[in-house]
Amino acid sequence: AQKVTQAQTEISVVEKEDVTLDCVYETRDTTYYLFWYKQPPSGELVFLIRRNSFDEQNEISGRYSWNFQKSTSSFNFTITASQVVDSAVYFCALLNQGGKLIFGQGTELSVKP
Amino acid sequence: GAVVSQHPSWVICKSGTSVKIECRSLDFQATTMFWYRQFPKQSLMLMATSNEGSKATYEQGVEKDKFLINHASLTLSTLTVTSAHPEDSSFYICSARASSNTGELFFGEGSRLTVL
Repeated sequence: AQKVTQAQTEISVVEKEDVTLDCVYETRDTTYYLFWYKQPPSGELVFLIRRNSFDEQNEISGRYSWNFQKSTSSFNFTITASQVVDSAVYFCALLNQGGKLIFGQGTELSVKP
Repeated sequence: GAVVSQHPSWVICKSGTSVKIECRSLDFQATTMFWYRQFPKQSLMLMATSNEGSKATYEQGVEKDKFLINHASLTLSTLTVTSAHPEDSSFYICSARASSNTGELFFGEGSRLTVL
């Protein structure tokens, strides 16, 4: 079975705190892609990152960083020095070899001033 | 990145009427488009996969006669919710893929349907 699990339903932090959003996936595919999307209250999905299964290098983009650990099937997302504008629902997703994008349940992040 | 546009952004209709939502790839040709439905506070659930020129493939539990999908050109897919009922009220999002191997998916802005 292919599945993406985001165990944290809601997270609330105070501005400037660091926060990590967890993502664990299940797949038997040897080739797959992992994604993170941000969904603000307006509803549109904002693409944050795509990582293929052969690239385990961690990535940093400004205040965002991602930790891909194939051994534990995890693809965690960390926001450093969070800001109020980071408040949104964040989705982790898996693109399988069949071409279907499977989303996790989402984590609602609330950053308070 | 590539642009995918959905129209309308939001629609309110009466129960029993049909509603059509369009998904257009504006600057690329999309051989495959996907339709998702998202209920409040929930994740995006794939409804169907639409390939240009062929019948859509529906996920288990999605009624193909109720959610009609047409992908008549490489830049347009439509989702028609037939005989809509209040329980069909949801946020519908499409995504488009230009190539089967790159993993590049582009999402529309979503269409919010409210059935009274």
